[in-house]
Amino acid sequence: DAKTTQPNSMESNEEEPVHLPCNHSTISGTDYIHWYRQLPSQGPEYVIHGLTSNVNNRMASLAIAEDRKSSTLILHRATLRDAAVYYCILTGGGSQGNLIFGKGTKLSVKP
Amino acid sequence: DTGVSQDPRHKITKRGQNVTFRCDPISEHNRLYWYRQTLGQGPEFLTYFQNEAQLEKSRLLSDRFSAERPKGSFSTLEIQRTEQGDSAMYLCASSNANGPGREKLFFGSGTQLSVL
Repeated sequence: DAKTTQPNSMESNEEEPVHLPCNHSTISGTDYIHWYRQLPSQGPEYVIHGLTSNVNNRMASLAIAEDRKSSTLILHRATLRDAAVYYCILTGGGSQGNLIFGKGTKLSVKP
Repeated sequence: DTGVSQDPRHKITKRGQNVTFRCDPISEHNRLYWYRQTLGQGPEFLTYFQNEAQLEKSRLLSDRFSAERPKGSFSTLEIQRTEQGDSAMYLCASSNANGPGREKLFFGSGTQLSVL
């Protein structure tokens, strides 16, 4: 399975945009890029996913590099509730939802 | 629809005892997953079901672990002869098959197991 690399931690100020990077240089042509986040004492929560084009939903935006070797999750205005561990995961091929989580990026939001 | 629910939320047991956890998925979802998460790590895949069929098991799932989904609805995960190394958060997730790579998993809040 293709791997992803994320910074261990990031900090943001409340109401400012946050850009969470993810490198996936060995991504294959059929791999989707998924983002999940995990708030303290909760299970992971789906955020967004994409294949080639940038994607927007009510939670976040996903910007995918043209060569697909990296992507960025964008939170447009961070709130205290966005403090969580964010996981970047590749899925595709024969995978059936057995997601391979790394350690993710722990996002801290300062008021 | 209240999402994926897991019971109990916390379980404390003594080494050597058997424990069983229950997961109730989102009602229309045909796939159900079990994951395990230890402190500071991301969740690790254990096994998954499509309807009542168990289709994949991780090598992490030793022979002391058994999972069932008898009617394709709720699932149970049993750990026999628990060991201290089994202490972890056990997470359940469900989904509908949306095609390779596009599946979205919905997770429960987990069962925190402590083995003394």
